[in-house]
Amino acid sequence: AQSVTQLDSQVPVFEEAPVELRCNYSSSVSVYLFWYVQYPNQGLQLLLKYLSGSTLVESINGFEAEFNKSQTSFHLRKPSVHISDTAEYFCAVAPNTGNQFYFGTGTSLTVIP
Amino acid sequence: KAGVTQTPRYLIKTRGQQVTLSCSPISGHRSVSWYQQTPGQGLQFLFEYFSETQRNKGNFPGRFSGRQFSNSRSEMNVSTLELGDSALYLCASSLDRGPGTGELFFGEGSRLTVL
Repeated sequence: AQSVTQLDSQVPVFEEAPVELRCNYSSSVSVYLFWYVQYPNQGLQLLLKYLSGSTLVESINGFEAEFNKSQTSFHLRKPSVHISDTAEYFCAVAPNTGNQFYFGTGTSLTVIP
Repeated sequence: KAGVTQTPRYLIKTRGQQVTLSCSPISGHRSVSWYQQTPGQGLQFLFEYFSETQRNKGNFPGRFSGRQFSNSRSEMNVSTLELGDSALYLCASSLDRGPGTGELFFGEGSRLTVL
C-alpha cells in the first residue's frame, strides 16, 4: 500500500520569499510522484511530475521538486513566490503498475504582500 | 480539446435523499476516477472505472456507487445521504495506456451540500 504525508497544513510566506512544501511517501513498490495545485474554486491542475530520469523536475511557473529515494521525499520548492501562487498544493503518488493515486491532505500556501 | 466536465457544479440535498453526479472525461481517455474532497481530509479515493469496469475501489460504504458507459462517461451515485457526505466530488480522467500515461486530469468538481 502507499501513503503520502504532507507535514505542513498551512504555510504563510511573504511575497518574493522562498518556500518549501514538504512531502514524504511510503510505498512497497516503485511509484510515480506528482504535485497538483488547486486554485480557489477550481479543480486540481498538474504542477509537475516525476516518472523517471533526472530526480529534479521543474514546472513552467518556477516551481521545482526533487525526488529523494533514500528519504522517500518529493519536496516542492520555489525561490521567489508571487501573490498568484496562493493556492492549495497536493502531493500524490501512483504505483507504476496501476492507476490508483494516493494524495496527501494538502498544504495551503498563502503569499502575503 | 475539451477538459473534464462535471455536472451539476453545485447542489443541495437533504438527509436521506440520493444524488447522481455526472462526469464526461477528456476525449480518448478510458479511465475515470472519483474523489471526495473535504477540508482537512484531502482527497479520498472513491473508485476508478476503466472500459466500463470498476478497476479499483476505495474504502467507502456501499451507499457510494458508480458506473461507466461505453463512451467513457461516468456517473456516481450516493444513496441515503448523510450530513457527512457534504463535500466536493472530483472526477478525473486519464489516458492510461501504459507506464507514465496515468496522469490525472481533473474536472472542477460537484459541490454537494447535505442539509
